[in-house]
Amino acid sequence: DAKTTQPTSMDCAEGRAANLPCNHSTISGNEYVYWYRQIHSQGPQYIIHGLKNNETNEMASLIITEDRKSSTLILPHATLRDTAVYYCIVRVDFGNEKLTFGTGTRLTIIP
Amino acid sequence: DAGVIQSPRHEVTEMGQEVTLRCKPISGHDYLFWYRQTMMRGLELLIYFNNNVPIDDSGMPEDRFSAKMPNASFSTLKIQPSEPRDSAVYFCASSLLAESVETQYFGPGTRLLVL
Repeated sequence: DAKTTQPTSMDCAEGRAANLPCNHSTISGNEYVYWYRQIHSQGPQYIIHGLKNNETNEMASLIITEDRKSSTLILPHATLRDTAVYYCIVRVDFGNEKLTFGTGTRLTIIP
Repeated sequence: DAGVIQSPRHEVTEMGQEVTLRCKPISGHDYLFWYRQTMMRGLELLIYFNNNVPIDDSGMPEDRFSAKMPNASFSTLKIQPSEPRDSAVYFCASSLLAESVETQYFGPGTRLLVL
C-alpha cells in the first residue's frame, strides 16, 4: 500500500539545485510529509518535514502543493556528498506511527 | 551525544547459528525501532518498542526472530537459527516523543551475512 510515488533515479549537476518530486495523492489531512535520505553504507538521515506550509532548514527546502497531493524537496546547491537515495514518507503526527519507506529516488550528483 | 550505537558492525556466520544484534538508543529516547534492509525489499520495519515494551512486531518475519529491550538503554535482535535469506543490513533507530513532532535517528547498521 504505497502511499508515495517517486522517480527511481535522477541526476543533477554539482552546484545546481536538485529538485526531487514526490506524489502522495491519497494523503490524509492529519498526515505529514517527511523526507529522509540514505547515503551509501549509512543509516537513513532525517532531512525535513511539513504539513501544508513550505518549510526550510539548513539542509533543504520542502514545497508542498496547495492540495497537498505532491511535494518537492529542494537541495539548493547540490554537492557530491548529496549523492544518496531520498525517501518521501507520509505519516500521521501523533503517537509514533512507524515510518514506511518506499523505494526512494536515487540522486546522483555529477561533477 | 554519540547517537544510536549498534554492534557488531559486521557479522558473518554460518547457517543454523544464533545471531545477536545489539543496539543502544540515544539517551532519553522513548521509542526504539529495528529495521532490515535488502536490495530486494528495501527498508522494512521489523518491530518497535515504547518505554521498553514491544508495541508492534507485525514486521518480524517469523518465529526465528525475537527482540528484547530489558532496559531503556539496550535492545537486542536475535535470529535463531539463522538462514542465508536473513543476510541484510539491520538498522536500529530511536526517537523521542516530544511535543507534537518527532523524528527517528538511525544507527550505522549491522551488516549480516549468513553463509
